[in-house]
Amino acid sequence: DGGITQSPKYLFRKEGQNVTLSCEQNLNHDAMYWYRQDPGQGLRLIYYSQIVNDFQKGDIAEGYSVSREKKESFPLTVTSAQKNPTAFYLCASSSFRDSFEKLFFGSGTQLSVL
Amino acid sequence: GENVEQHPSTLSVQEGDSAVIKCTYSDSASNYFPWYKQELGKRPQLIIDIRSNVGEKKDQRIAVTLNKTAKHFSLHITETQPEDSAVYFCAATGQRDDKIIFGKGTRLHILP
Repeated sequence: DGGITQSPKYLFRKEGQNVTLSCEQNLNHDAMYWYRQDPGQGLRLIYYSQIVNDFQKGDIAEGYSVSREKKESFPLTVTSAQKNPTAFYLCASSSFRDSFEKLFFGSGTQLSVL
Repeated sequence: GENVEQHPSTLSVQEGDSAVIKCTYSDSASNYFPWYKQELGKRPQLIIDIRSNVGEKKDQRIAVTLNKTAKHFSLHITETQPEDSAVYFCAATGQRDDKIIFGKGTRLHILP
């Protein structure tokens, strides 16, 4: 499925609950990214990581956390501090060989609040 | 940081006609400008890109133009077909931090 897998496809969050979205890639890509997609808002960068054990905030990092313990994995936790978490979340990866320019996207996770 | 504006938000064209989507960027250091296509229910995919040292690039029915002075770049689709119906995103990335910043997207409808 393109080498980058997101799970689950649909996720529901209760009030005050933290939830974690999974992203795994077998493309041997160095960098991984999390984007949030809302209707009419395009793709907004949450966090990105170019190397294991290091990551940077994007434009809308508040209420989210990430980890990069392995090159293949970049999970995103949506914390209870994120007051409007309902959105479509896209994970992407890119290679240092392409100067991190060409993004390969996963198929996304739709997060909804119960 | 970089800001990318994209217009129009929605575009309808008759099948066979041309479509043009325009983007502007704010960071003069940006040097790479990709375009992604997202069909309904699918992931975005790169369809064409251009670097700041090139003014125009073509790939079959799609082309991208770049005006560095005006900080403006455009996607042109000729002889549009039903399968061109999708949301198109422009993006820009610079040398400062390697972040790829997207525009808000254009929903393109191809009318029969």
